[in-house]
Amino acid sequence: SYDLTQSPSVSVSPGQTASITCSGDKLGDKYVCWYQQKPGQSPVLVIYRDNKRPSGIPERFSGSNSGNTATLTISGTQAMDEADYYCQAWDSSTSHVVFGGGTKLTVL
Amino acid sequence: EVQLVQSGAEVKKPGESLRISCKGSGDRFTSYWINWVRQRPGKGLEWMGRIDPSDSYTNDSPSFQGHVTISTDKSISTAYLQWSSLKASDSAMYYCATERPDSSGLPEWGQGTLVTVSS
Repeated sequence: SYDLTQSPSVSVSPGQTASITCSGDKLGDKYVCWYQQKPGQSPVLVIYRDNKRPSGIPERFSGSNSGNTATLTISGTQAMDEADYYCQAWDSSTSHVVFGGGTKLTVL
Repeated sequence: EVQLVQSGAEVKKPGESLRISCKGSGDRFTSYWINWVRQRPGKGLEWMGRIDPSDSYTNDSPSFQGHVTISTDKSISTAYLQWSSLKASDSAMYYCATERPDSSGLPEWGQGTLVTVSS
């Protein structure tokens, strides 16, 4: 099976840039998506196909994917961005959806 | 765009059966797949499997195969997740989410169904 690894936590000061990484074998050969989940809420898709933003997602959210690492970048981080973030890809051999373990973003 | 509405919270005893539902509205129900995702308290997202409502083809995670059944009734735009014998370890929030075959992720999610299994 295919595995995605995320750091458990990231801290950032308001207004600064937050980078959340996701690693997996040859991840750059796959499409990666990112989800934001706030306490008590359902996940929200914030990035798909590595770097595309769904309508309604602020421009401060961006994504990249190369080699074995995908990165979600939040520029000018706001207090409202404090949440858990999950990366997601597909296991190409089975087409199964795979989630990373999640990263808790704290805005100090 | 699709809206997904899930059935309400359930409290069950170990060994009991359960079926929870996810009703879609908006786009044509057969134009997207339905995924089920588990989230145990304080833990991450776990993909359980998906179904294509157009032909009821399922693709299940090995971690859940044999313990849950994913099905659909396209005549009422509803997908189901079913257990024949619940365990305490099945206590979790369960989400349904849409997916299209274009690698655009899981864009629409239901509000979640909380399942509590306790004797």
